[in-house]
Amino acid sequence: SAVISQKPSRDICQRGTSLTIQCQVDSQVTMMFWYRQQPGQSLTLIATANQGSEATYESGFVIDKFPISRPNLTFSTLTVSNMSPEDSSIYLCSVSAGPRGELFFGEGSRLTVL
Amino acid sequence: QKEVEQDPGPLSVPEGAIVSLNCTYSNSAFQYFMWYRQYSRKGPELLMYTYSSGNKEDGRFTAQVDKSSKYISLFIRDSQPSDSATYLCAMTDTGGFKTIFGAGTRLFVKA
Repeated sequence: SAVISQKPSRDICQRGTSLTIQCQVDSQVTMMFWYRQQPGQSLTLIATANQGSEATYESGFVIDKFPISRPNLTFSTLTVSNMSPEDSSIYLCSVSAGPRGELFFGEGSRLTVL
Repeated sequence: QKEVEQDPGPLSVPEGAIVSLNCTYSNSAFQYFMWYRQYSRKGPELLMYTYSSGNKEDGRFTAQVDKSSKYISLFIRDSQPSDSATYLCAMTDTGGFKTIFGAGTRLFVKA
């Protein structure tokens, strides 16, 4: 298993600003994932972040809007840029850490954009 | 058509009831099946992991997979108020690099 810490746990931001979410894992992992969970909806994968390479983005998500850093095997950041109210959501960091590649999640960062 | 379909509920049951949660899927490449539990304002936590068709039991929880029907279930026996949460089914293909989640079913167990 893995213990994942996310910061901030929640924030209220103004339209047009940017927010960076941090994700720290208690062990070295190869693959880290960023998900978005909008109210009443399921988890949608934003991107996969591997250390030492560019993040891979899913359809509908672009690097200019969601830049990701992965400086080492225990840390990653997701930035939500030029925010609008539609970006209000929970953002979840996840790692593949189980013996069968199971996903483990952080507590999430609840973002509200006014 | 979504790859994974899950009724969002909400599902409300009395304490002690047997709960049945279900998902259907369309992609026959899915080989690994999981159930996650998500309490309010928390991240999802892995509850059950299954690979083959059949049943897997863990305490009050039983996960069932029917690959021929592309249908998976989670049964909760003797449900408790502490089981009140959102339950998400999830599945991956043989590569295991991408996990697809259902919409999640909100469960309320009333004392």
